Amino acid sequence: QSVLTQPPSVSAAPGQKVTISCSGNSSNIGNNYVSWYQQLPGTAPKLLIYDNNKRPSGIPDRFSGSKSGTSATLGITGLQTGDEADYYCGTWDSSLSVVFGGGTKLTVL
Amino acid sequence: QVQLQESGPGLVKPSQTLSLTCTVSGGSISSGDYYWSWIRQPAGKGLEWIGRIYSSGSTNYNPSLKSRVTISVDTSKNQFSLNLSSVTAADTAVYFCASQPKRYYGFDYWGQGTLVAVSS
Repeated sequence: QSVLTQPPSVSAAPGQKVTISCSGNSSNIGNNYVSWYQQLPGTAPKLLIYDNNKRPSGIPDRFSGSKSGTSATLGITGLQTGDEADYYCGTWDSSLSVVFGGGTKLTVL
Repeated sequence: QVQLQESGPGLVKPSQTLSLTCTVSGGSISSGDYYWSWIRQPAGKGLEWIGRIYSSGSTNYNPSLKSRVTISVDTSKNQFSLNLSSVTAADTAVYFCASQPKRYYGFDYWGQGTLVAVSS
């Protein structure tokens, strides 16, 4: 059971937009920054979003992040087949540890 | 560009200690710019943060693993290490090392991961 709650799966057609939610509480998301990761099969996670809504160099602006209260959202527009992957949210927790969501599998139909 | 590489045994017997090392290149552990973390992922499951260390040697651990975990740093070798004691089959996972800049929250560089199986 992960501390942060994500939907197990989402799907959308190529070219469409999808959002992935990440729900926590005041001990984690509510008072800390959120980051998002993309994990392609058999590879290490890749940082997509840091500090709630900032993109590292090289991450296309099709990827966006937002946070409101104790929830965060990852948005992906102009879906491509190469976006099929597992997506994770993560943040700091008042227990002085990093917590992750359980992951969301994105299928591009 | 920082690069991280995990190394260590791929098979550990139950009740023994799992030991891994992460070698950092392209940047200095002692610069003080990063926290250095260990994260694991059982097959088909999500990410679990194990703990982190700063160049000063200060550490934070996942409360669920704290009693079994020790993370240490060797600035002379630009490496940091993980020891996980009293392992069971539940500790079988891919283990990643990763860096988190002090200036923002997010793990920006990751090792490729190393599979550690716990089995007799």
